[in-house]
Amino acid sequence: DVKVTQSSRYLVKRTGEKVFLECVQDMDHENMFWYRQDPGLGLRLIYFSYDVKMKEKGDIPEGYSVSREKKERFSLILESASTNQTSMYLCASNGQKYSPLHFGNGTRLTVT
Amino acid sequence: GENVEQHPSTLSVQEGDSAVIKCTYSDSASNYFPWYKQELGKRPQLIIDIRSNVGEKKDQRIAVTLNKTAKHFSLHITETQPEDSAVYFCAAISNRDDKIIFGKGTRLHILP
Repeated sequence: DVKVTQSSRYLVKRTGEKVFLECVQDMDHENMFWYRQDPGLGLRLIYFSYDVKMKEKGDIPEGYSVSREKKERFSLILESASTNQTSMYLCASNGQKYSPLHFGNGTRLTVT
Repeated sequence: GENVEQHPSTLSVQEGDSAVIKCTYSDSASNYFPWYKQELGKRPQLIIDIRSNVGEKKDQRIAVTLNKTAKHFSLHITETQPEDSAVYFCAAISNRDDKIIFGKGTRLHILP
């Protein structure tokens, strides 16, 4: 069974801090994604990656960056956290374009 | 880029009745349409999907229909049960940019 693991379930950070959200998958998937989930706004795509060292902007990349140095790991970076980045962050992966997304459990980030 | 609209945002149906959730998409190059179910406190999971070369697909009590001309697809749940209570997300994938774009979600309540 595919396992997508996000390093933290809950995280509290201060405004201006640099924040790293880590995601690891164990199924050798090519594709990895970062979404944020907010009530009434659904799942919005921040960044995605189809290969090591490759990244593509999603619909809301502002204020975020990503890193994919190894195939199994995709990190989301908040360069300078702001209160409007308080949200649930979901990492996902799949092996092919038209195959199911496997989601992690999510990281609930609070920026104060 | 792709835009996916989902309606209604909330839906309440009596146990045993049918539920229908509708989505529209904007990009005619979109060719894959998955549906995800997210139970409270859990990660989204794929429940059914449909490709653009098929008009309808069924899996037990769940069916999805696609109208490519109208850029419209729907999820149908028959004989609803308490365990169907969840948030449902539709999504679309375009050939143009490979993004997986989600609708805003529908919270389905099954009433006893």
